[in-house]
Amino acid sequence: QVQLVQSGAEVKKPGASVKVSCKASGYTFTSYYMHWVRQAPGQGLEWMGIINPSGGSTSYAQKFQGRVTMTRDTSTSTVYMELSSLRSEDTAVYYCARDWGGSLGDVWGQGTTVTVSS
Amino acid sequence: QSVLTQPPSASGTPGQRVTISCSGSSSNIGSNYVYWYQQLPGTAPKLLIYRNNQRPSGVPDRFSGSKSGTSASLAISGLRSEDEADYYCAAWDDSLSAHVVFGGGTKLTVL
Repeated sequence: QVQLVQSGAEVKKPGASVKVSCKASGYTFTSYYMHWVRQAPGQGLEWMGIINPSGGSTSYAQKFQGRVTMTRDTSTSTVYMELSSLRSEDTAVYYCARDWGGSLGDVWGQGTTVTVSS
Repeated sequence: QSVLTQPPSASGTPGQRVTISCSGSSSNIGSNYVYWYQQLPGTAPKLLIYRNNQRPSGVPDRFSGSKSGTSASLAISGLRSEDEADYYCAAWDDSLSAHVVFGGGTKLTVL
């Protein structure tokens, strides 16, 4: 079955970076774009950007430009989201979500909790 | 402040029909499809409606979506206790570089 499995929870200090992985299975990895979406505690959903696993091209939300990098490894069917210069406001659950013909999220990862605290 | 505007809360009794609105602008809802998501507590969002009014396989036909101009609505008929969740609308936005915008979410309570 189609599945996205994310890496485990992270605790980081302010100023550090975090790299979250999302391993895809059950479908042709390079045929579907992947989104990253985050959700701060008690807050709504926030789109971070999208990556094309085929060629590696990316598009980031303006808010995260310069701080976020999305990459992929086709040999392991895994996409990565790295966020740098972390601050407390980056404490959130980070989700990967498959794009299905322009529809964000026909399949979602289970989420990765990132806590930024000194 | 979310780009798409949703009421923060909605409620209904079992069996009732409830609607949740989502208001945007010409650069998002006015020119692109609308998507709706259901998020149960402690879980990842689930795609409920795509391309304004289409249901993915497995989503009951009690859920329906519509769009008119720069606004959209999600309707839930025959309300059930298990429908108690947060609901989000989303759309691509063509302003500046293409990006996805979400509504702030609506907490649905089944009384």
